[in-house]
Amino acid sequence: DIQMTQSPSTLSASVGDRVTLTCRASQSISSWLAWYQQKPGKAPKVLIFQASSLQSGVPSRFSGSGSGTDFTLTISSLQPDDFATYYCLQYSSYPRTFGPGTKVEIK
Amino acid sequence: QVQLVQSGAEVKKPGASVKVSCKASGYTLSSYGVSWVRQAPGRGLEWMGWISANNANTNYAQNFRGRVTMTTDTSTSTAYMELGSLRSDDTAVYYCARGTYNDFWGQGTLVTVSS
Repeated sequence: DIQMTQSPSTLSASVGDRVTLTCRASQSISSWLAWYQQKPGKAPKVLIFQASSLQSGVPSRFSGSGSGTDFTLTISSLQPDDFATYYCLQYSSYPRTFGPGTKVEIK
Repeated sequence: QVQLVQSGAEVKKPGASVKVSCKASGYTLSSYGVSWVRQAPGRGLEWMGWISANNANTNYAQNFRGRVTMTTDTSTSTAYMELGSLRSDDTAVYYCARGTYNDFWGQGTLVTVSS
């Protein structure tokens, strides 16, 4: 199985900050990676698919990059609505696997 | 608009089974597969498995093989996930999600396993 790790586990930031979240796969997954945002009590929402494609309706301050084993999600200017937990998912092979998540909290 | 609407919360005793439904609207169920993902209280997301809605092929995570069955009924545009031999650590919110990268999600179904 492909293992996914995310760093940091928690990130404290202020509104307006540029933040970068990292996701790493235990083996190459090409670009088969998605990023999700989840708020408490809500279903996850997809932000990025295929590593760098912005899902329709998602603000352009979100961007994704990477391929192979190393990936990043960048929020160019953190907004109050962005404080949430972010997960990556590899969909290169079965079983699909999620990273453990990064919680973005208010500094 | 695309919607996935799940069945309501369930309370089950250890050893019992639960069947969660996920009704799709706004698109043709047979055009996309469905994943099932769960989240225990305070924990991360756990992928349970996938069903291809057009030919009912399935792929289950090792943790659930032998206990989970995923099905679809294209006549009612509904996907189902049945989990048996429930344990207390199966207490979680269960989600269905559409397609290869889960672009739409159901609202979640809380399953509580308690004696």
